[in-house]
Amino acid sequence: QVQLVQSGAEVKKPGASVKVSCKASGYTFSDYGISWVRQAPGQGLEWMGWISPYKGNPKYALELQGRVTMTMDTSTSTAYMELRSLKSDDTAVYYCARTIFGVVIGANWFDPWGQGTLVTVSS
Amino acid sequence: QSVLTQSPSASGTPGQRVTISCSGSNSNIETYIVNWYQQLPGTAPKLLIYSNNKRPSGVPDRFSGSKSGTSASLAISGLQSEDEADYFCAAWDDSLNGPVFGGGTKLTVL
Repeated sequence: QVQLVQSGAEVKKPGASVKVSCKASGYTFSDYGISWVRQAPGQGLEWMGWISPYKGNPKYALELQGRVTMTMDTSTSTAYMELRSLKSDDTAVYYCARTIFGVVIGANWFDPWGQGTLVTVSS
Repeated sequence: QSVLTQSPSASGTPGQRVTISCSGSNSNIETYIVNWYQQLPGTAPKLLIYSNNKRPSGVPDRFSGSKSGTSASLAISGLQSEDEADYFCAAWDDSLNGPVFGGGTKLTVL
């Protein structure tokens, strides 16, 4: 079955960087994109960006540009998300999700999702 | 403050039909498809409805989606206790140039 398995929880100090991995299985990794979505404690969902082997450069949320980098290693079917200059506001569960792009502009959805990685930023 | 607006909570009794709404604008819902995600307590979100009204394989037909103008709705019929979860709508937004989510609706089955 299609599955995304993420790396374990991280605790970081403000100003540090974190890199979360997302290993895919059960489908052809290069046929789909991977999005990253985060959820602060008790809050809603926030799209961070996506990367796709066939859609050119990664696309990042405006407010995270300059701090986030998303990459894919097709040889290991693993996607990575690195977030730099961490702040306490970055404390959240970070999810990766396989991204399906529809034929219509703006059509995209996330299925399935990884189990989530808790990143805690604290001094 | 989320770009898409959802009521924070909804409730119903077993067997009842409930509707969860999602309000947006002409830069998102009116122009683009809407997706819905279900997040059971302590778990990752799961795709429930995509492209306004399509159900992925395995999602019961008790769940249905619709869209009209700048609003979308998720309807759940024959409510069951296992439907107790948070529900999020999502759509592309031209202003933010990316997908945006509603703030989520917490559904309680009484």
